[in-house]
Amino acid sequence: GQQVMQIPQYQHVQEGEDFTTYCNSSTTLSNIQWYKQRPGGHPVFLIQLVKSGEVKKQKRLTFQFGEAKKNSSLHITATQTTDVGTYFCAGNTGFQKLVFGTGTRLLVSP
Amino acid sequence: GEEVAQTPKHLVRGEGQKAKLYCAPIKGHSYVFWYQQVLKNEFKFLISFQNENVFDETGMPKERFSAKCLPNSPCSLEIQATKLEDSAVYFCASSQSGQGVREQYFGPGTRLTVT
Repeated sequence: GQQVMQIPQYQHVQEGEDFTTYCNSSTTLSNIQWYKQRPGGHPVFLIQLVKSGEVKKQKRLTFQFGEAKKNSSLHITATQTTDVGTYFCAGNTGFQKLVFGTGTRLLVSP
Repeated sequence: GEEVAQTPKHLVRGEGQKAKLYCAPIKGHSYVFWYQQVLKNEFKFLISFQNENVFDETGMPKERFSAKCLPNSPCSLEIQATKLEDSAVYFCASSQSGQGVREQYFGPGTRLTVT
């Protein structure tokens, strides 16, 4: 079945450093969504990318969808302690079903 | 309501007992999804509904898991004869209908502990 992998599994940065998580799907996606889950919390929707090569920005967060629509990345510039959490990509192949990636846990030290 | 509600927050069951979890989706949302998140953080899709109809149940272990979304009632996920490996956080999510896949709004989850 479809698999969505994320790397790294875990990253610990100092506040102010940049952070990137990469998402790779075994199959071509119709679109990809990104979610953030704080420790002990529930996933919260961040963004959806639909077009090949699409780049979207939300303040310090930059999201990219690969040209082949099989990979994506999330880059955070100058991390803050409020960025702590696990970031999940979730791929969709055209039906109302998301396949979640394995997640990248981000820890930010002040 | 504007948030997905899930009850109970925590549920403890002895192995072999039944567990029933409830979810009230956001009013006006047509799709309801159930996910299982185990300690490794990975999400496993279980089942989705479009209104009261099962839309996709490819993730359901059918021999012990069942789910319903009836009109004017919270959706439910029931596990008959729980096993230790069923211990997880179960999230419900809902989304609007419309063209393409919409973002999913997640509830706070129900933590099931099977002892």
